[in-house]
Amino acid sequence: EDQVTQSPEALRLQEGESSSLNCSYTVSGLRGLFWYRQDPGKGPEFLFTLYSAGEEKEKERLKATLTKKESFLHITAPKPEDSATYLCASSGGGGNKLTFGTGTQLKVEL
Amino acid sequence: ETGVTQSPTHLIKTRGQQVTLRCSSQSGHNTVSWYQQALGQGPQFIFQYYREEENGRGNFPPRFSGLQFPNYSSELNVNALELDDSALYLCASSEHPGTGNSPLHFGNGTRLTVT
Repeated sequence: EDQVTQSPEALRLQEGESSSLNCSYTVSGLRGLFWYRQDPGKGPEFLFTLYSAGEEKEKERLKATLTKKESFLHITAPKPEDSATYLCASSGGGGNKLTFGTGTQLKVEL
Repeated sequence: ETGVTQSPTHLIKTRGQQVTLRCSSQSGHNTVSWYQQALGQGPQFIFQYYREEENGRGNFPPRFSGLQFPNYSSELNVNALELDDSALYLCASSEHPGTGNSPLHFGNGTRLTVT
């Protein structure tokens, strides 16, 4: 059974203080590793898909990387508007589902 | 481009009742998936519909059922509601049934409370 574990559960940063969120995954035949952002009371918003180890993708202050067992979401010089829960999900095997982690709740303070 | 829309946004039901949640997929998307998100948890896969047929199901009992219509919109039906069914129900659409090829785009969900 696919498993996704995210750490830390919660992270508090000062504005401009860079950090990384971790996603460890166990999946048979990875088809894709996904990152989403979720604001309170909203649905998850798609950020990135990574398909193979060594791949990197960037969007504004966010960069996602992938190894054979982990993915990292690096946040460079974060701003208060980056505060949200960040969800990681894997897709693998022959199934059509995403397996999500429980998320990292990020708060960026002035 | 119209995104995924869900209705209603909030709903309160009594244990034992039945509920129907509705979803309109993003334009150009032919696949709809439903997820349940309990408070403080990640979304859990309920099932997926493609070409009006169920195309994969998670570990949910048969009292969770669904439909997809020719315009790709979808319904989630839950019978005999239990207290543990209280959650945010998310609908997501995509271009293809394989999630490895096409990311899911989510609506803002229906918050269901069962008392």
